[in-house]
Amino acid sequence: ETGVTQSPTHLIKTRGQQVTLRCSSQSGHNTVSWYQQALGQGPQFIFQYYREEENGRGNFPPRFSGLQFPNYSSELNVNALELDDSALYLCASSLSGSPYSDTQYFGPGTRLTVL
Amino acid sequence: GESVGLHLPTLSVQEGDNSIINCAYSNSASDYFIWYKQESGKGPQFIIDIRSNMDKRQGQRVTVLLNKTVKHLSLQIAATQPGDSAVYFCAETSGGYNKLIFGAGTRLAVHP
Repeated sequence: ETGVTQSPTHLIKTRGQQVTLRCSSQSGHNTVSWYQQALGQGPQFIFQYYREEENGRGNFPPRFSGLQFPNYSSELNVNALELDDSALYLCASSLSGSPYSDTQYFGPGTRLTVL
Repeated sequence: GESVGLHLPTLSVQEGDNSIINCAYSNSASDYFIWYKQESGKGPQFIIDIRSNMDKRQGQRVTVLLNKTVKHLSLQIAATQPGDSAVYFCAETSGGYNKLIFGAGTRLAVHP
């Protein structure tokens, strides 16, 4: 186990609704990254938060937003849900601060289905 | 649970054989590479990593080889076991920035 937890496990929403997914990082980790994994594909980077600020973003529209809290837990918010948003959403925590990239440890994911 | 990697390339091996999973990465500036294992319904699990100043790194039953000249990464699993059955992803990142770029993935099927 990585110590990274996510909630909820599964979620069903309808098109146009909004959703909030939650992640609790591994103890001591100050960086969280969010990924979207469509069925049969590798995870795609959404964005990363470091010390409560966005530290980079992938090719996702602004309706995907996030927050990181002082205790390093985080949220992924998606507004105006579309059918193509159906996917497994993964968060990964890491400890940043060195000159090199640091290992990211993934949670079990939240399976979002948009009807 | 849902299936990961429905249409991924599959490597089928016999239990006890050695497995080699290959990956071509995209960015010649990438300086850190990781192999992840993903079982159905679970998140990716870290297996082994390697930095660009190395060409080989060994773990328990696993070895990663890096060939920067041809931008190729491989994962070798010794004495493959049924519990190794999963989808394997290589991932790359560069410049101290933790955006992971994942490869397409390979399904490993281990037969008794």
